[in-house]
Amino acid sequence: EAQVTQNPRYLITVTGKKLTVTCSQNMNHEYMSWYRQDPGLGLRQIYYSMNVEVTDKGDVPEGYKVSRKEKRNFPLILESPSPNQTSLYFCASSLNYNQPQHFGDGTRLSIL
Amino acid sequence: RKEVEQDPGPFNVPEGATVAFNCTYSNSASQSFFWYRQDCRKEPKLLMSVYSSGNEDGRFTAQLNRASQYISLLIRDSKLSDSATYLCVVNSNYGGATNKLIFGTGTLLAVQP
Repeated sequence: EAQVTQNPRYLITVTGKKLTVTCSQNMNHEYMSWYRQDPGLGLRQIYYSMNVEVTDKGDVPEGYKVSRKEKRNFPLILESPSPNQTSLYFCASSLNYNQPQHFGDGTRLSIL
Repeated sequence: RKEVEQDPGPFNVPEGATVAFNCTYSNSASQSFFWYRQDCRKEPKLLMSVYSSGNEDGRFTAQLNRASQYISLLIRDSKLSDSATYLCVVNSNYGGATNKLIFGTGTLLAVQP
């Protein structure tokens, strides 16, 4: 089954404790992206990747890192999480940047 | 001005009604356009792509007006199951290899029995 898989689905952690949210897709998609969704602000792009080893900042990249060492995986790293990063996060992928995106189920992060 | 703007709603309509959503975008270099549907606390799912000539999928019709920089979604014969938030999405080129997907904040539709 074609899918985008994110882990974990839910995480409660404390300020400053490094965490990684994994994202994997099995559709051989070139384009992958991370979003955060906050009430009243909608979905905002954090980082995106056009292909392996090619990443670029979205609209809200501060406090996040990503890597794209292989095509299927695009982890999101929070080196020193802070409470303002409490949000619902989605990973998505598509064949290329002009094609519709497939979304993972989402990861709800709470930073205390 | 926001890059992609939608009326947040909510739109409360009776079953069987026709409802239309509009979305405006600011970047004239935008290349592709989509409507997504998002149910509460779930992931967005593609409803339909929007093509220059307009396109229809069952009860749903999408249209693009490049001159006025807006896209629209028409839902005919609304069903209770259409209740959701509808997201307008625009892919914009900002020069070179920089492409961004910009999401509207969504329009909430509530179909009443």
